[in-house]
Amino acid sequence: GENVEQHPSTLSVQEGDSAVIKCTYSDSASNYFPWYKQELGKRPQLIIDIRSNVGEKKDQRIAVTLNKTAKHFSLHITETQPEDSAVYFCAARGTGGGNKLTFGTGTQLKVEL
Amino acid sequence: EAGVAQSPRYKIIEKRQSVAFWCNPISGHATLYWYQQILGQGPKLLIQFQNNGVVDDSQLPKDRFSAERLKGVDSTLKIQPAKLEDSAVYLCASSLDRAQYFGPGTRLTVL
Repeated sequence: GENVEQHPSTLSVQEGDSAVIKCTYSDSASNYFPWYKQELGKRPQLIIDIRSNVGEKKDQRIAVTLNKTAKHFSLHITETQPEDSAVYFCAARGTGGGNKLTFGTGTQLKVEL
Repeated sequence: EAGVAQSPRYKIIEKRQSVAFWCNPISGHATLYWYQQILGQGPKLLIQFQNNGVVDDSQLPKDRFSAERLKGVDSTLKIQPAKLEDSAVYLCASSLDRAQYFGPGTRLTVL
C-alpha cells in the first residue's frame, strides 16, 4: 500500500518568513495530493490540492509543488502569520481499492511574533 | 452549504462497553469515509462507502468495529467492545470527487 513520509515534524518560523513542508510517497501511480490544516481540537481543513498532471499550484500565500519523478511534493507558505500556526498534513491518493488517501504524520508549524 | 455533521462530539466509556457514532455528510456527496485519528498522528482510514456499498474496509478491525450506511446518506460507526487503544478522534469525511471534507469529529476516551 501507499506510504507517505512527512518532514519536519515541527517547524518554527518568524512572522513574515516562509515555511516549507515536504512529503514523499511510495506509490508511483498516486494521482492526487491534498494538504490539510488542523488547528487544535478542530477538524482537518483542506487548504490546497494538486493533481498528478500539474507541477505547481498557487493560492495566495500558499503553493504546492509536485515532482512525480522523485515522488515528492511540498507545501510552501509565504509571509507567514500567527494564524498559520497549526498542524499540517499531507496526503496521497493511491490507485488501489477505493483510491484511498494515506496521510503523513503531520508537521506542527509555529509562527512566532 | 452545510458541512459534515457528527455526533456526539465527546464520549467517555469504560473498556468493554459499546459506543456508536453518527455522521451526516454534505448533501449530494456519494462517498463517505470514517477515519481514526490517534493523538499526534494523521487520520487513518477505517472504512469507505460509495453510496450504501463498502468500497474499502481493509483497515477496519472487524472483530469489534462495524459501520453501516443503509440509505446511502447518514452513517453510523460502532465499537463493541471498546479497548483502551480505541481512544482517539473519529472523523467522518465526505466527497463528491477527489476533495474530502471532514466533520468536527468525535473524541472517544476509553477508561
